[in-house]
Amino acid sequence: DQQVKQNSPSLSVQEGRISILNCDYTNSMFDYFLWYKKYPAEGPTFLISISSIKDKNEDGRFTVFLNKSAKHLSLHIVPSQPGDSAVYFCAPLNDYKLSFGAGTTVTVRA
Amino acid sequence: EAGVTQFPSHSVIEKGQTVTLRCDPISGHDNLYWYRRVMGKEIKFLLHFVKESKQDESGMPNNRFLAERTGGTYSTLKVQPAELEDSGVYFCASSQVSGQTQYFGPGTRLLVL
Repeated sequence: DQQVKQNSPSLSVQEGRISILNCDYTNSMFDYFLWYKKYPAEGPTFLISISSIKDKNEDGRFTVFLNKSAKHLSLHIVPSQPGDSAVYFCAPLNDYKLSFGAGTTVTVRA
Repeated sequence: EAGVTQFPSHSVIEKGQTVTLRCDPISGHDNLYWYRRVMGKEIKFLLHFVKESKQDESGMPNNRFLAERTGGTYSTLKVQPAELEDSGVYFCASSQVSGQTQYFGPGTRLLVL
């Protein structure tokens, strides 16, 4: 039962352009949504989060948008930089339990 | 401030052997979690400690897995006996308060041959 779907396994973007990553979920009990970034052979690193009572949260180059009625969230990275090349996981939280999507591999081209 | 640390970083064992993974959470974090990612699958929740108490171990695959957190500091996850399907990456995470951001360690890569 996959509650979190990241339908794009990969994304290639040119340096300086916008990266948009999407995530859909099915569980209406999710109340806090996190994005993690992961480099090979490392653990997930917290990137940005949003509470279910908000529809947007911004932190520097990273913005997360939440559409609760559509059960959809997205992560915008602008401008994209070479160091942003990594796997990005959408991870909604229900109480204390994180549910992870399959991840989207972002490659930023110079 | 030191992050979550895990030991060992890699472990290669034979089927039927025992392996113990260790996790040291961020200092002051009462909440400790174990997750794992097996080949081709998503990262999945295994269990949650608050201090030394197990709050939820619903994600533990079977009784070959035993997690402890004596004294409410570091935690161990023992697999005994290990099976081939236990191969994967085991992550530990911690948070100050349940329901807040969880910070992950680098993981232990377990390979059972």
